[in-house]
Amino acid sequence: DAGVIQSPRHEVTEMGQEVTLRCKPISGHDYLFWYRQTMMRGLELLIYFNNNVPIDDSGMPEDRFSAKMPNASFSTLKIQPSEPRDSAVYFCASSFGAGSTETQYFGPGTRLLVL
Amino acid sequence: AQSVSQHNHHVILSEAASLELGCNYSYGGTVNLFWYVQYPGQHLQLLLKYFSGDPLVKGIKGFEAEFIKSKFSFNLRKPSVQWSDTAEYFCAVNPGPNNAGNMLTFGGGTRLMVKP
Repeated sequence: DAGVIQSPRHEVTEMGQEVTLRCKPISGHDYLFWYRQTMMRGLELLIYFNNNVPIDDSGMPEDRFSAKMPNASFSTLKIQPSEPRDSAVYFCASSFGAGSTETQYFGPGTRLLVL
Repeated sequence: AQSVSQHNHHVILSEAASLELGCNYSYGGTVNLFWYVQYPGQHLQLLLKYFSGDPLVKGIKGFEAEFIKSKFSFNLRKPSVQWSDTAEYFCAVNPGPNNAGNMLTFGGGTRLMVKP
């Protein structure tokens, strides 16, 4: 299996622009997670989906952030408009099963820089 | 809300030294515990996990961790580190066994540098 795939790997944009990050989970996994990693705040869970349905989005920082999962093999995280404080590495992870012992498999991340 | 604390933010060791990274959590119920590693420029990978049974868990690359319920701790250890262990290490917790989801709460991470 190719693992969790994220694109783009790097994104540089200007403040005010829309940014869309993409994730393809491991085939067969029914949970998908979006995390943000910064030096100041560490690794934070933004939102997660189960069977394409958003379950908990309490970590989404504000209305500028939105996430969708139109099907089992694709999810997007959108920031509109972007701001410099959104600069971070965004990770997508997936797992299989509802058990809390299940391992989450992380993608390589998207390194976002908002100028 | 549960929280995870990793008190050592940066650790510098020489090769062959022993390693112990601390992890404490605040959740009072049954928990599942994980250690993830992030090598420079790479994504997070699972090192080991504990959910039941022997509280001493062995993971990949010679790492192990011990769950001490009375201390709410899950410290990571390795008897002899190598330069290739230079990475950031994250402890993570989720409540079990009736957790409706699979949410992980991560600690702030510990950056380990191993000098050759």
